[in-house]
Amino acid sequence: GAVVSQHPSRVICKSGTSVKIECRSLDFQATTMFWYRQFPKQSLMLMATSNEGSKATYEQGVEKDKFLINHASLTLSTLTVTSAHPEDSSFYICSAKGRAGELFFGEGSRLTVL
Amino acid sequence: GQQLNQSPQSMFIQEGEDVSMNCTSSSIFNTWLWYKQDPGEGPVLLIALYKAGELTSNGRLTAQFGITRKDSFLNISASIPSDVGIYFCAGRVNTGTASKLTFGTGTRLQVTL
Repeated sequence: GAVVSQHPSRVICKSGTSVKIECRSLDFQATTMFWYRQFPKQSLMLMATSNEGSKATYEQGVEKDKFLINHASLTLSTLTVTSAHPEDSSFYICSAKGRAGELFFGEGSRLTVL
Repeated sequence: GQQLNQSPQSMFIQEGEDVSMNCTSSSIFNTWLWYKQDPGEGPVLLIALYKAGELTSNGRLTAQFGITRKDSFLNISASIPSDVGIYFCAGRVNTGTASKLTFGTGTRLQVTL
């Protein structure tokens, strides 16, 4: 099946720094990728839809200046958490849309902000 | 916004038992998906349902797309220890372009020997 890879899988940073998370579709091209956030023991909450070559579409309540999304190529989308604070600590998961419309998820990236 | 309620929230079962969980929505979905998530990993697709009334199996897993399009269930037969994890249902309104998934609240499954 199609593979989506995220990097890094874990990152610890100091408060105030920015962190970039990459999401790559390894064996297919994805014009659309999605970014989710998941708090412990909770469900996945969609943050934004990333479209190759255009601006991301953010869900209500998600700060676009806080969570910068760049979908520069058909196989790569990046999420940058700017000026991270402890409340931004979470599990961030991306998914990429395949040719038949199915979604393939990455392994997730756990961000801990000290 | 749309909400998907899953029940039960958690289950403790013995190995070999059958499991049933369901997902209900306040609104209609055109696609229902069931995922399993292991700790520290992303969700993995188990079964996809595209038509109301559809019943689909994947090994020991069986899922159905409710006739009303507002619910779905997932059954796991003869559970084994590796079935442990969190199961999420997800619904999608459009099957075409950039359609978003709404995830259920999750069912945590624990299997005892």
